[in-house]
This record gives sequence, structure tokens and C-alpha cells, in this order.
Amino acid sequence: EAGVAQSPRYKIIEKRQSVAFWCNPISGHATLYWYQQILGQGPKLLIQFQNNGVVDDSQLPKDRFSAERLKGVDSTLKIQPAKLEDSAVYLCASSFINEKLFFGSGTQLSVL
Amino acid sequence: RKEVEQDPGPFNVPEGATVAFNCTYSNSASQSFFWYRQDCRKEPKLLMSVYSSGNEDGRFTAQLNRASQYISLLIRDSKLSDSATYLCVVGFNNRKLIWGLGTSLAVNP
Repeated sequence: EAGVAQSPRYKIIEKRQSVAFWCNPISGHATLYWYQQILGQGPKLLIQFQNNGVVDDSQLPKDRFSAERLKGVDSTLKIQPAKLEDSAVYLCASSFINEKLFFGSGTQLSVL
Repeated sequence: RKEVEQDPGPFNVPEGATVAFNCTYSNSASQSFFWYRQDCRKEPKLLMSVYSSGNEDGRFTAQLNRASQYISLLIRDSKLSDSATYLCVVGFNNRKLIWGLGTSLAVNP
């Protein structure tokens, strides 16, 4: 079974630039999550989708971050403009029903 | 008080040792509980779910204490390959998940 696919694996940008991440969840998984993980900390939920609807985006910095999940499958997360403190790993995860999450390899973002 | 709290460690133990981690949660309405393992520079992976009756998977035992609002993870006969960060996750009936910051384990030869 194919896992959660994410791209790019690494991204280096300068502050104030924009960046986008892509995620393809496991086939049939209705729930998709975007997490931000700063080194040494646990994952922080940015946004959770159920099919193509948003379940929780309470911790998404909406002035600069946006996410969409068109057709309830693939998802993109965008940051515009990026700040230094956005440097982190951005993890996408999906789950079927029982809240057991399967994660992609993540995107390591460095903002210079 | 944080919703989910873990001792960050690091726990340094010799091979073959038994080590236990606790995770406390503040919301008594919590309904589901999980332990994830995260290796350095890798994504988290589900280690085991935690059931009310407790559950065991080989050298790993997870337990839930609802009265005291904590879950535990016991690792017996530690291996070098057990070195990782162990993340506690607590879920609610609205499918919201709260993650702990993780406990770092280093198993030494």
C-alpha cells in the first residue's frame, strides 16, 4: 500500500518569499492533517480536513498560511510571506476512521 | 497546565534495561490514547494505541489510568534500536488530537 506522499523534501527560501507544499494522502483516507514541527518539539496541528471540509484550523496563522484540499484528495499548504520563525518540518498525515495517523516524510523548510 | 504533558528526558538507559514513560492529560473527556515513536529526522509512526484494559505488544506495554488521567509506556529489555522520541497523543470525540512534546530515550551499549 502506498504511503502518504509529500513534496518537496527540502526547501530553502528567503524571508518574505512564498512557498507551497503538496501532499497526497493514502487512498481512501478521508482525514488529512498538516502539522508544523519545530526541532525538539512535538507536532503542532495547523489544519485538519475531513474530505474537502475544514475540521480545525484554529492554530493556522491565517494572515500568512493557507491550505486547500480540492476534491477531498490532494492538499496544498502555502506560506506567503514566509518569516524566519516558519523554519520547521511540515508534516502531512492522513487517517481513515480511527484516528491512527500515517505521516509522510515531511518537508524541511529553511527560511533565511 | 498543558493539555498533554510528558517528561522530555532524555532518558539514558543501558541495553536490556526496563524503562517507563508517563504522560498526563488534563481533560477528563479524552477518549482515545496513542503512543507514537519518532526517530531523529523522521516522521512519527504509530507505536500502539492505549486501551482501557491495557495492552501489550512484544516488549512494549501501554496502560491507561483514567482516575489519575495518565497513560504509560513500558519498554522491557531495551534495544539500541529503541532509541527515539516517544510522543503521547490524546484524542477527543470531535476527532481533535492533542500531542505531547515527546520523551527522548537513548539506549546505550
